[in-house]
Amino acid sequence: TQLLEQSPQFLSIQEGENLTVYCNSSSVFSSLQWYRQEPGEGPVLLVTVVTGGEVKKLKRLTFQFGDARKDSSLHITAAQPGDTGLYLCAADSGYSTLTFGKGTMLLVSP
Amino acid sequence: NAGVTQTPKFRVLKTGQSMTLLCAQDMNHEYMYWYRQDPGMGLRLIHYSVGEGTTAKGEVPDGYNVSRLKKQNFLLGLESAAPSQTSVYFCASRPGRRPTNEKLFFGSGTQLSVL
Repeated sequence: TQLLEQSPQFLSIQEGENLTVYCNSSSVFSSLQWYRQEPGEGPVLLVTVVTGGEVKKLKRLTFQFGDARKDSSLHITAAQPGDTGLYLCAADSGYSTLTFGKGTMLLVSP
Repeated sequence: NAGVTQTPKFRVLKTGQSMTLLCAQDMNHEYMYWYRQDPGMGLRLIHYSVGEGTTAKGEVPDGYNVSRLKKQNFLLGLESAAPSQTSVYFCASRPGRRPTNEKLFFGSGTQLSVL
């Protein structure tokens, strides 16, 4: 089982600030997914990264996959209250299952 | 298209009682999963299924059983509930045509409290 370490565990910022959250492992990922979960709901996929060094953008969110495919980051520019939620990274084992990190809880205050 | 539907949404049990959580998906997905989510612990895989009639253990299977008699349904059973099973339970599915890179579709969860 791949162990995924997410940091920070909790982040509280003001609207308009920038932030970066991280997902790290000692293992190489075949692919990595980022999900966002809002209170009372299940996680929803934001992006999947597959290639080492890959960068994907989703509006104000930028996702990067490390060159060695052992780490990933999520950068949010000019955070808004609607970005509040739990951000989870998940690694595909290649054997039918996904392993999730413990998540980063983001709170964006107006 | 309802996606992934979990029932019930909330349940309170006494220690030792049994119950079954139902997950239904209408997307013709092959793969289905049961996760539990506890504060600070992320999502942990309980059991999963890669097709009708098949099941496999995940990371935390003890105290749970599952069945996949029909492709669209995945049942999670607690035979004798314990307070340690108080958690939010999520069901998820994915097509299974390409096991890697496919996204998971999640239900909205079941909040279970065991007193």
